[in-house]
Amino acid sequence: NAGVTQTPKFQVLKTGQSMTLQCAQDMNHEYMSWYRQDPGMGLRLIHYSVGAGITDQGEVPNGYNVSRSTTEDFPLRLLSAAPSQTSVYFCASSYEGRNNSPLHFGNGTRLTVT
Amino acid sequence: GQQVMQIPQYQHVQEGEDFTTYCNSSTTLSNIQWYKQRPGGHPVFLIQLVKSGEVKKQKRLTFQFGEAKKNSSLHITATQTTDVGTYFCVSSNTGKLIFGQGTTLQVKP
Repeated sequence: NAGVTQTPKFQVLKTGQSMTLQCAQDMNHEYMSWYRQDPGMGLRLIHYSVGAGITDQGEVPNGYNVSRSTTEDFPLRLLSAAPSQTSVYFCASSYEGRNNSPLHFGNGTRLTVT
Repeated sequence: GQQVMQIPQYQHVQEGEDFTTYCNSSTTLSNIQWYKQRPGGHPVFLIQLVKSGEVKKQKRLTFQFGEAKKNSSLHITATQTTDVGTYFCVSSNTGKLIFGQGTTLQVKP
């Protein structure tokens, strides 16, 4: 199993551009989530999904959209990038979010918005 | 919403010294998870505590869950350079898994 795969690893955007961060897992996990990590602020939850067709907002959802059309994929979309979205983004999945199964993380995407 | 406060934010120790990080909540937690993130890496699951007063050990690491389920701690005995990284506690809130701010441990050889 590949686990949780995130692409790309690095991305530079200009203010106002849009892009999609990809996340895929091959563990048949129900729960998937996106976090951003900024220095001194830990990981903050952006959006999460408890199963295909279901998404919900986390702590910092503004400026981001998600969808969950399949169990395997959970892309994160930035519609109009802003410098404040410069961060490291992590996708994570778990067997079942409600029972707080351990999170499995991807390797992260380092995004810079200029 | 439910939040956990983690202290200290940073800790520098000499190799061989002990280290403890604390996680505190104003509300009762259903359970708590601990993760470690090495520099440049991603968080990796260490353990989950569920029961009041629970104590679990992993080699030199000891995890505790308070009797009131409002606090937790991670203690490392005789730190080694391989213990370097940031340690996070994670609590759940209606399906959301929320991270504490983390404690970054540096170990001087």
